[in-house]
Amino acid sequence: DTEVTQTPKHLVMGMTNKKSLKCEQHMGHRAMYWYKQKAKKPPELMFVYSYEKLSINESVPSRFSPECPNSSLLNLHLHALQPEDSALYLCASSPLPLGEGGEQYFGPGTRLTVT
Amino acid sequence: GQQVMQIPQYQHVQEGEDFTTYCNSSTTLSNIQWYKQRPGGHPVFLIQLVKSGEVKKQKRLTFQFGEAKKNSSLHITATQTTDVGTYFCAALSGNTPLVFGKGTRLSVIA
Repeated sequence: DTEVTQTPKHLVMGMTNKKSLKCEQHMGHRAMYWYKQKAKKPPELMFVYSYEKLSINESVPSRFSPECPNSSLLNLHLHALQPEDSALYLCASSPLPLGEGGEQYFGPGTRLTVT
Repeated sequence: GQQVMQIPQYQHVQEGEDFTTYCNSSTTLSNIQWYKQRPGGHPVFLIQLVKSGEVKKQKRLTFQFGEAKKNSSLHITATQTTDVGTYFCAALSGNTPLVFGKGTRLSVIA
């Protein structure tokens, strides 16, 4: 299995809703990432997990809460989002832990709309 | 923090013409990676350059890493409509995570 999967593909949620994004990889990769991407912009790093531990939180608001239940899974819990949080949320994994380089494999993303 | 400047922002070419995008950093980089994102798609890893002066080729794509490891380029020879998309460079420096350039959006007119 050489891919990163993400569910759901599309999500529409209200500002009072609670939802979760899921990401899975079975490549034995040691680092997993959450990115946010707005239209016509580069991916913007949110969180990095290395060896299942949160290594980097790029000053992301607490309404985004990451979770890494095991080495293959990464979740992003969403609560009380704002319309400006609407974006494509990308998960990525890398065979090497943070700081050791290595290419990143991106999932197809979840297109989130907050109404 | 670490910044990577990428130019041009947009490039429109006639099919068959060449295309080049450039990436520059004010600091020495550990390595540089290139990704392609098709419209409506997700970034896909193309290549990683690590050594000073390194040149790598993938069919019509040529990637270069500068001697000072502060700049890089991606050159596409004889563009095709399948080359359409946004090309991002992404740089690693020390223990920091990847820093993406703003990307160059390539459109190819058939």
